[in-house]
Amino acid sequence: ETGVTQSPTHLIKTRGQQVTLRCSSQSGHNTVSWYQQALGQGPQFIFQYYREEENGRGNFPPRFSGLQFPNYSSELNVNALELDDSALYLCASSQDRVANYGYTFGSGTRLTVV
Amino acid sequence: KQEVTQIPAALSVPEGENLVLNCSFTDSAIYNLQWFRQDPGKGLTSLLLIQSSQREQTSGRLNASLDKSSGRSTLYIAASQPGDSATYLCAVGQNFVFGPGTRLSVLP
Repeated sequence: ETGVTQSPTHLIKTRGQQVTLRCSSQSGHNTVSWYQQALGQGPQFIFQYYREEENGRGNFPPRFSGLQFPNYSSELNVNALELDDSALYLCASSQDRVANYGYTFGSGTRLTVV
Repeated sequence: KQEVTQIPAALSVPEGENLVLNCSFTDSAIYNLQWFRQDPGKGLTSLLLIQSSQREQTSGRLNASLDKSSGRSTLYIAASQPGDSATYLCAVGQNFVFGPGTRLSVLP
């Protein structure tokens, strides 16, 4: 059983650029959630995808968008990057929308915006 | 809006001590609560999941309890080891709301 995998592991972008982060969910999981973790803080919920539909969104602007594919993998897209977008982006998958069996997290993508 | 706090923010103990980490949340209507461990610059490793109908979970030297009525959970670590040094995070609710974490250092 494979866990949650994220790519790339590290990324450096320039302010104003666009970035796409990728996540493969754990086998048997149909729900993917994305989190942003700034240095020294707890992760903040960005949004969740369940069966290819957005199923909840945190307090993030529309330039943060996502997709979920039929195989339940997911992408996080961020447009018009700002310096404050520099963070660790974490993907988590679960067996259902309410995570009755908890979340499994990937190792994250470290995004640096310069 | 769910808010989660964790006390203490940081903790430094000598090896072998038993310790308790605290997590408080404002909305008791939660589905479940999960404790995670995070090593510097890494992802989250699940430690224990307490479902809403449960009050306690145990795994090895770790024991987590949940009191929904008071909005509290505790993570008990027995006989701490230097390898336990990490940040410990609790998360609650459907779209997990995380606390800020407790940074634990266990000194040899």
